[in-house]
Amino acid sequence: RKEVEQDPGPFNVPEGATVAFNCTYSNSASQSFFWYRQDCRKEPKLLMSVYSSGNEDGRFTAQLNRASQYISLLIRDSKLSDSATYLCVAGSGTASKLTFGTGTRLQVML
Amino acid sequence: NAGVTQTPKFRILKIGQSMTLQCAQDMNHNYMYWYRQDPGMGLKLIYYSVGAGITDKGEVPNGYNVSRSTTEDFPLRLELAAPSQTSVYFCASSYSGVETQYFGPGTRLLVL
Repeated sequence: RKEVEQDPGPFNVPEGATVAFNCTYSNSASQSFFWYRQDCRKEPKLLMSVYSSGNEDGRFTAQLNRASQYISLLIRDSKLSDSATYLCVAGSGTASKLTFGTGTRLQVML
Repeated sequence: NAGVTQTPKFRILKIGQSMTLQCAQDMNHNYMYWYRQDPGMGLKLIYYSVGAGITDKGEVPNGYNVSRSTTEDFPLRLELAAPSQTSVYFCASSYSGVETQYFGPGTRLLVL
């Protein structure tokens, strides 16, 4: 079983749609959680950290359920520029060793 | 700000050759990491360092070596290149172990 599992997609959605990505992690010792965004042939960049209380950054909302070991990302009012691969990430240990999911590809269409 | 820089951007190696992938950061970060990303796969941690003079193995260290003589630099050495090492290599850094990791632009390596 992969340590961090995501649906690879692709999710093809029209502009303005709301889309949700889910992710599960298997290491119960994971302490930190993130969503990274990766554009084609580029490096990953932090989209947002994920907190137990849930957190929002503009059109993006992230949720964490530690009991179910489940992380989600909601994107509202999708833009063409949101097209990318979204990586679910769990961190553990004092050096914050990150474990990456394989990513969920989003394509926003006109 | 330069952030995290990596050289070269792209390299073709023959089986058995060796090379060093360079990584430097100018953010005074203590923690540095090397990952590889194969097509359709998540990033895998190769080696990491929590400070100058300290390195440790990640998930996939075989075939690689690292050193950390300064805070700024964290080179990754491939001694005997194999086709299985064809991948995109990303270097990353963070100030402390619980903060965001910042990634370099990557080095694409092809071993033939």
